Amino acid sequence: QKEVEQDPGPLSVPEGAIVSLNCTYSNSAFQYFMWYRQYSRKGPELLMYTYSSGNKEDGRFTAQVDKSSKYISLFIRDSQPSDSATYLCAMRVMFSGGYNKLIFGAGTRLAVHP
Amino acid sequence: DARVTQTPRHKVTEMGQEVTMRCQPILGHNTVFWYRQTMMQGLELLAYFRNRAPLDDSGMPKDRFSAEMPDATLATLKIQPSEPRDSAVYFCASGLASGTQTDTQYFGPGTRLTVL
Repeated sequence: QKEVEQDPGPLSVPEGAIVSLNCTYSNSAFQYFMWYRQYSRKGPELLMYTYSSGNKEDGRFTAQVDKSSKYISLFIRDSQPSDSATYLCAMRVMFSGGYNKLIFGAGTRLAVHP
Repeated sequence: DARVTQTPRHKVTEMGQEVTMRCQPILGHNTVFWYRQTMMQGLELLAYFRNRAPLDDSGMPKDRFSAEMPDATLATLKIQPSEPRDSAVYFCASGLASGTQTDTQYFGPGTRLTVL
């Protein structure tokens, strides 16, 4: 079983829909929770990050963390065709030596059609 | 506009050949990461450098892969000999770290490697 599970999709929605993307994880040591967006043939770029349980909002995007359930979500309101991309969740974990690294989910492909 | 650059962007080679991928991190960043992305495995960390010193290369097949930072402006990932299962997109990312905290990782455009 992977440390981070993410449904690969693809997810296809009409423009204007609310999109919900989710990840579950098994390691209680994960601290920071991030969402990256990756357009086709590009590198991932950081979209949002959260530390504690609860919600964090940034424009049309809301990141939600539930540490008790080991579950994180990204909501996109009023989705646009420009939101079509792969969304990867990532979680920060400490490793030996006291440094940290990111563990990524497999990514969910989202297509928003006009 | 500061960016991570990677060369080559595409590489097609035959099994057994040596492949070298290069990365120029963002000026001033002190951490460099190498990732491999495939449909089956997703994004996997191969190596992590901080101040040019390797901190973690546990995700890298040691027998054929090697990663180095000859200087602060260049990171290399080498595969020798290459195999078809190495076909993937290889990403380099850089960031600025202090203490034990690592800041945001900025990804390059990737090198798409195909081994025939």
